Amino acid sequence: GAVVSQHPSWVICKSGTSVKIECRSLDFQATTMFWYRQFPKQSLMLMATSNEGSKATYEQGVEKDKFLINHASLTLSTLTVTSAHPEDSSFYICSAPLTGPPEGYGYTFGSGTRLTVV
Amino acid sequence: AQSVTQLDSQVPVFEEAPVELRCNYSSSVSVYLFWYVQYPNQGLQLLLKYLSGSTLVKGINGFEAEFNKSQTSFHLRKPSVHISDTAEYFCAVSRNSGGSNYKLTFGKGTLLTVNP
Repeated sequence: GAVVSQHPSWVICKSGTSVKIECRSLDFQATTMFWYRQFPKQSLMLMATSNEGSKATYEQGVEKDKFLINHASLTLSTLTVTSAHPEDSSFYICSAPLTGPPEGYGYTFGSGTRLTVV
Repeated sequence: AQSVTQLDSQVPVFEEAPVELRCNYSSSVSVYLFWYVQYPNQGLQLLLKYLSGSTLVKGINGFEAEFNKSQTSFHLRKPSVHISDTAEYFCAVSRNSGGSNYKLTFGKGTLLTVNP
């Protein structure tokens, strides 16, 4: 089936540094990628929607300059957390919509990235 | 806009007992409905989805759900749970877009804990 490979699975970084998270669609072309953030024991909150070759659309309250999203190709979307601070520590998940066979309409999710800022 | 309410934040059950995880949604347009399972520090795995057709949907691992349009509900059921079913379960809705891709809106999740 359609798979989104997300890396790294976990990362620890120092406060003030930047971290890049990659999501690659392995056997399909992802024209759209959704980026979610999940705090412990909470639901997934949509941060932004990226579309290949265009600027990402951010949800209200999400800082565009802190969470940089790039979707330069049909198989790669990246999220860069710039100047990370401890409050950015969270679980980040990407998701690509599916419309074709064999899965039909739906969404496939990356395995998530656990970011810890110290 | 759509919204999803998962009525129970935690559901403890004993092994081999039946379970129902409740989900209600609100939307002014037609929707697609999904149930996902999440194990600790992992992404989401699709259990089942309702797009159209039969309102009773069967998914993986013995789960099923019934779409009830009049009650705007999509409750998840399993007749006999296993220890391995212990996980977080999310109900989600997206707009019935007729082919386009709209974002998913998630409920807050239900932690199912299966005790021996």
